[in-house]
Amino acid sequence: DAGITQSPRHKVTETGTPVTLRCHQTENHRYMYWYRQDPGHGLRLIHYSYGVKDTDKGEVSDGYSVSRSKTEDFLLTLESATSSQTSVYFCAISANYEQYFGPGTRLTVT
Amino acid sequence: TQLLEQSPQFLSIQEGENLTVYCNSSSVFSSLQWYRQEPGEGPVLLVTVVTGGEVKKLKRLTFQFGDARKDSSLHITAAQPGDTGLYLCAGAIKAAGNKLTFGGGTRVLVKP
Repeated sequence: DAGITQSPRHKVTETGTPVTLRCHQTENHRYMYWYRQDPGHGLRLIHYSYGVKDTDKGEVSDGYSVSRSKTEDFLLTLESATSSQTSVYFCAISANYEQYFGPGTRLTVT
Repeated sequence: TQLLEQSPQFLSIQEGENLTVYCNSSSVFSSLQWYRQEPGEGPVLLVTVVTGGEVKKLKRLTFQFGDARKDSSLHITAAQPGDTGLYLCAGAIKAAGNKLTFGGGTRVLVKP
C-alpha cells in the first residue's frame, strides 16, 4: 500500500464547469503523476510533478492544469470541463522507478 | 501512436489452461513493468524487469524481458478465475526521467 488516496472517487459535472481532483500521498514521494484511462487508449499521462511547484506536461495535457503546493498533495484541474474529459483519472507516485497507483476517480461530464 | 503494443487485446480461456501476453516495441527500455488491474481499482504492480533476457517468476506467472530490452512477455500457467483482469505493460526510458509509457492492455477472462 503506497498510501495514495484520491478524492472524490466519483463525480458528475456539467460541461463548462470547473473541476478539481485531489491526490494525497502519505509517504513523501517526490514524483507524482496524473493519468487518464479510456477504452482502447490504456493509461495516458496528463501532467506530472517532480517536486513542490515543479510540474511538467504529459502527452494529453490540453484542457488540464495541475498544482503542487505541498509534497503530499497534487491537484488536477479541468478549467472548463468538456464531454471528451469523461474518463477515469488515476494518480500515481514513483518510488525507485516503479509507479504505484491510487484507486481512481470516475468523472462524467454531461 | 502506441509505443508499446500489447497482444492480444482480449483473451478468454478455461480454468487450468495456459496463456501468454506479449508486449512489443521498437524502443529500448531501461526497465519494464507489468501491472494487473481489476474493475474499479487502480493498477497494481506485479513485477519489474530491468536486464535483457531476465526471467522472473511469481508463483504461476512468468515474466520475460527480451534480450534487446524492446519486448516482454507474461505467461500464466494453469490459469485460475482469480487471474481475471486487465494486464498492462509499461516501459521506462531513463532519458525520459521517471515517466512510463503504457501499452493498451490485455483483458484476460478465466472461466471456471
